[in-house]
Amino acid sequence: GESVGLHLPTLSVQEGDNSIINCAYSNSASDYFIWYKQESGKGPQFIIDIRSNMDKRQGQRVTVLLNKTVKHLSLQIAATQPGDSAVYFCAENRDETSGSRLTFGEGTQLTVNP
Amino acid sequence: DADVTQTPRNRITKTGKRIMLECSQTKGHDRMYWYRQDPGLGLRLIYYSFDVKDINKGEISDGYSVSRQAQAKFSLSLESAIPNQTALYFCATSERGQGGNIQYFGAGTRLSVL
Repeated sequence: GESVGLHLPTLSVQEGDNSIINCAYSNSASDYFIWYKQESGKGPQFIIDIRSNMDKRQGQRVTVLLNKTVKHLSLQIAATQPGDSAVYFCAENRDETSGSRLTFGEGTQLTVNP
Repeated sequence: DADVTQTPRNRITKTGKRIMLECSQTKGHDRMYWYRQDPGLGLRLIYYSFDVKDINKGEISDGYSVSRQAQAKFSLSLESAIPNQTALYFCATSERGQGGNIQYFGAGTRLSVL
């Protein structure tokens, strides 16, 4: 299953399928991007990050792809599990001078059906 | 034990009351942040502090103030609470450094202003 960014805030997939969550960013000067997972009643939890000098980074079952030409970021989750059900946020670091000021997207609700 | 601890976890207050939300961290990070989250929206930055002597406004600082009492403690105050300040509030910390860094979040404080 695949979301199309901020205009489709929900994504429903079957357990075992791969999930793709998309995010568009607006500032071509953004140099750092990060994905968070937020489960109900909890704070955002770091998943994976990527700097602008890379176009792909892999973690455990997750991959982040960065396309700077079209200012697009995606999070791929392999073999999605029920425990992956959560809201996923992308964030970009827009402040070139001070660093560490993240601007968050609105999030995508991922639901994994057994 | 949580690395970033927020107290209280839930708070109900009345319009016009002054309240304080507290955040403490054991990660040894210099940078601390306060965010607000409204239903269906991403996180918006209220205030941030890059060290004990540094306080900066975020995108929605009106109606809020902060105090950085020590490297490990950063509190958020609502001087005169109003109903539209009902939201989830998150504290976060990060290491110093250019180009953006992972922010680690607390579990949040759910605030209701009646």
